Amino acid sequence: GIQVEQSPPDLILQEGANSTLRCNFSDSVNNLQWFHQNPWGQLINLFYIPSGTKQNGRLSATTVATERYSLLYISSSQTTDSGVYFCAVIKAAGNKLTFGGGTRVLVKP
Amino acid sequence: KAGVTQTPRYLIKTRGQQVTLSCSPISGHRSVSWYQQTPGQGLQFLFEYFSETQRNKGNFPGRFSGRQFSNSRSEMNVSTLELGDSALYLCASSGGIGVLEQFFGPGTRLTVL
Repeated sequence: GIQVEQSPPDLILQEGANSTLRCNFSDSVNNLQWFHQNPWGQLINLFYIPSGTKQNGRLSATTVATERYSLLYISSSQTTDSGVYFCAVIKAAGNKLTFGGGTRVLVKP
Repeated sequence: KAGVTQTPRYLIKTRGQQVTLSCSPISGHRSVSWYQQTPGQGLQFLFEYFSETQRNKGNFPGRFSGRQFSNSRSEMNVSTLELGDSALYLCASSGGIGVLEQFFGPGTRLTVL
């Protein structure tokens, strides 16, 4: 099946810093989503981005489908950005999301 | 529009028991998928239901089963619980046809003693 790899696995930031999270996938995809998992376990949708670039406030994402990677940018990080960020893809028809291992982000005040 | 809801939020069971989890999708969504999250295996796909039919299935034993009702609400059942079934179970809904973005509920945290 399709493989999804995220890097780095862990990231420690000082408040106000910028960062880039990467997601590599091994095959063409129909869907790519970025999620933030809150401390209670819920996955919060950040971006639905099978290709192109999107921005939402301090967050932005870019997916280069032909090169099979996606990037999530966090600018001016805040302590509330702490948590685990997941990238997930759907390769074929249907709704089976394959998740990466996540990037655990800690933003220190 | 209300989000995806899951009940119960927490469950404690003992080995050998069975458990049923419930998921109500976003109004109008016809696809419901279930995922298991454990520290060791990460997030893994269990199965997907669309219009009351199982459309996709992950690599889990037959002890894990599910169903979907005509109102799109879904239940998953785990029989003969094992310690390794302790996990966060997440449900996601999507429009189902050509609308692939999925939205997740808050999850059910199952502990098997």
